[in-house]
Amino acid sequence: QSALTQPPSASGSPGQSVTISCTGTSSDVGGYNFVSWYQQHPGTAPKLMIYEVTKRPSGVPDRFSGSKSGNTASLTVSGLQAEDEADYYCSSYAGSNNLVFGGGTKVTVL
Amino acid sequence: QLQLQESGPGLVKPSETLSLTCTVSGGSINSSSYYWGWIRQPPGKGLEWIGSFYYSGTTYYNPSLKSRVTISVDTSKNHFSLKLSSVTAADTAVYYCATVGRTSTYYGMDVWGQGTTVTVSS
Repeated sequence: QSALTQPPSASGSPGQSVTISCTGTSSDVGGYNFVSWYQQHPGTAPKLMIYEVTKRPSGVPDRFSGSKSGNTASLTVSGLQAEDEADYYCSSYAGSNNLVFGGGTKVTVL
Repeated sequence: QLQLQESGPGLVKPSETLSLTCTVSGGSINSSSYYWGWIRQPPGKGLEWIGSFYYSGTTYYNPSLKSRVTISVDTSKNHFSLKLSSVTAADTAVYYCATVGRTSTYYGMDVWGQGTTVTVSS
């Protein structure tokens, strides 16, 4: 299984929106509604922000939203805040209880 | 509140076996709610899923690591372990354990340990 494809970087000004893509294949992203997104600040463990493509765990602000079309999933952060500056990773179920991550996207708040 | 804590040697010699343990507190490793997983992150790089297991004994491994990985569980100690054999410098990474949702947050990794750094060097 190959890693999912994410852009290496994305940026936006405070209050703006930024969208990160995560492209896979019909064997992972396109084949299942089990895409998750994680936020990771430097030196800390990742934090689950979105699961099952669109769902937010308790405590995650509704500024974070997820979607999927075909083999590409997306994470949108609306109303960017300084604390949203972090690395973001997508992951997907890839069949047979296998999981695959994307390469990560560094989000910069300008 | 469920918490995970990784432990093990921070330095492993090339060709030897890396061994780590993840201790579960605030919940039972026999829970049907989760798979239990290992994930790693090389310095400055992205996350890589190593493998997962279910308490009944079923294991699932990343195909690229399958020949070198063993994940096992000790239910009496409420912990699970990772063994990675024949390590090289490419296995230097922060190693995390995490829950993988099985009955909710499907395949989302909701609870993470703080991570432990393992360096492969002679």
